[in-house]
Amino acid sequence: SQTIHQWPATLVQPVGSPLSLECTVEGTSNPNLYWYRQAAGRGLQLLFYSVGIGQISSEVPQNLSASRPQDRQFILSSKKLLLSDSGFYLCAGKTQGAVRLGYTFGSGTRLTVV
Amino acid sequence: AQSVTQLGSHVSVSEGALVLLRCNYSSSVPPYLFWYVQYPNQGLQLLLKYTSAATLVKGINGFEAEFKKSETSFHLTKPSAHMSDAAEYFCAVSLNSGSARQLTFGSGTQLTVLP
Repeated sequence: SQTIHQWPATLVQPVGSPLSLECTVEGTSNPNLYWYRQAAGRGLQLLFYSVGIGQISSEVPQNLSASRPQDRQFILSSKKLLLSDSGFYLCAGKTQGAVRLGYTFGSGTRLTVV
Repeated sequence: AQSVTQLGSHVSVSEGALVLLRCNYSSSVPPYLFWYVQYPNQGLQLLLKYTSAATLVKGINGFEAEFKKSETSFHLTKPSAHMSDAAEYFCAVSLNSGSARQLTFGSGTQLTVLP
């Protein structure tokens, strides 16, 4: 079965500092990978998804970017954090073609920008 | 395009009472439907899913949901609430298609269980 690893679990960063959140996948090859953000009271917002190495689709124009340097690695980055980037970030994965399996989620990163 | 509506962003029930969390979906093709649970500061965990087999689906922790095509609903129920059920619950719909951007989530329902 698929396992999603995310780190760090919590992060406090000053405004204007860079960001790098990493997500790795275990148990499957060539997964679809997703970055979501949860802001207070706003549900799940899809930020980026990737169907393969180097292939990134952006859902929401913003201060963030994503990269997929390896099949099982998905990175969320920012050059300069804003206060509005605070939130709970979740990485999710799905085996390609296996629609009925749904998504597997990582345990999330709580980002506070101060 | 598919969409999901969860009625009630906050639901409170007493311990031992029936839990009912509502989810309605919109889809132009037969969907797959999911319920996820999220405990504080954790990722989402799959509770149950409907994938076009039995319309009454049983999941973990005593939860179940019934797919009603005529009502375009997939409500989540549990006969007797437990304090440990307090969490946020998300309904999601997925099309059986080749699109990578497949899963659409509802806005979530926060369940509070009162002693």
